[in-house]
Amino acid sequence: AQTVTQSQPEMSVQEAETVTLSCTYDTSESDYYLFWYKQPPSRQMILVIRQEAYKQQNATENRFSVNFQKAAKSFSLKISDSQLGDAAMYFCAYRSAFGGTSYGKLTFGQGTILTVHP
Amino acid sequence: KAGVTQTPRYLIKTRGQQVTLSCSPISGHRSVSWYQQTPGQGLQFLFEYFSETQRNKGNFPGRFSGRQFSNSRSEMNVSTLELGDSALYLCASSSRTEKNEAFFGQGTRLTVV
Repeated sequence: AQTVTQSQPEMSVQEAETVTLSCTYDTSESDYYLFWYKQPPSRQMILVIRQEAYKQQNATENRFSVNFQKAAKSFSLKISDSQLGDAAMYFCAYRSAFGGTSYGKLTFGQGTILTVHP
Repeated sequence: KAGVTQTPRYLIKTRGQQVTLSCSPISGHRSVSWYQQTPGQGLQFLFEYFSETQRNKGNFPGRFSGRQFSNSRSEMNVSTLELGDSALYLCASSSRTEKNEAFFGQGTRLTVV
């Protein structure tokens, strides 16, 4: 079974600064997807960024980028030029690229609460 | 296009009762997944439906069940409610044409008293 671990329950950052959220995972599969989701107080889970395991290039989406280290099974999220609206709970998630017992299943980490100070 | 809609947004039920939650996926999405979110256990996968068939199920007791209709709308049912069933229940829909990305609804907050 796959597991996802976020070792930082809480993080804080000053507005306009950069912050990195950590995530490690464990899997025996060779092909999978990794995601970072944001959950603001409204509770709506919003996809921030995704990474396909077969791609060596790190994904980027505007101010958000990842550092994907497949061999180390590490998947960190870097938020540049932090904004007040970035304050939320962030979840790292894993999904198998195979079907069977993995259909529709995201495995989530415990989450990191990000606070942005003005 | 409209997003994933979950109803109701809030529910208060008494221990021992049963409850049904509804999820309307994004138009064209045939896969619907359900998750339970609690402070202690985090986000846990309940089950996934595709074209009215349950394809995958998480590690939850049989009191938790679901179904999907021909229009892809899904319901989940919890019978004989326990205090520990109090949680935020999230539904997500996805489509192969959109890289199977999961789009989430705003959830239903269930409180069991």
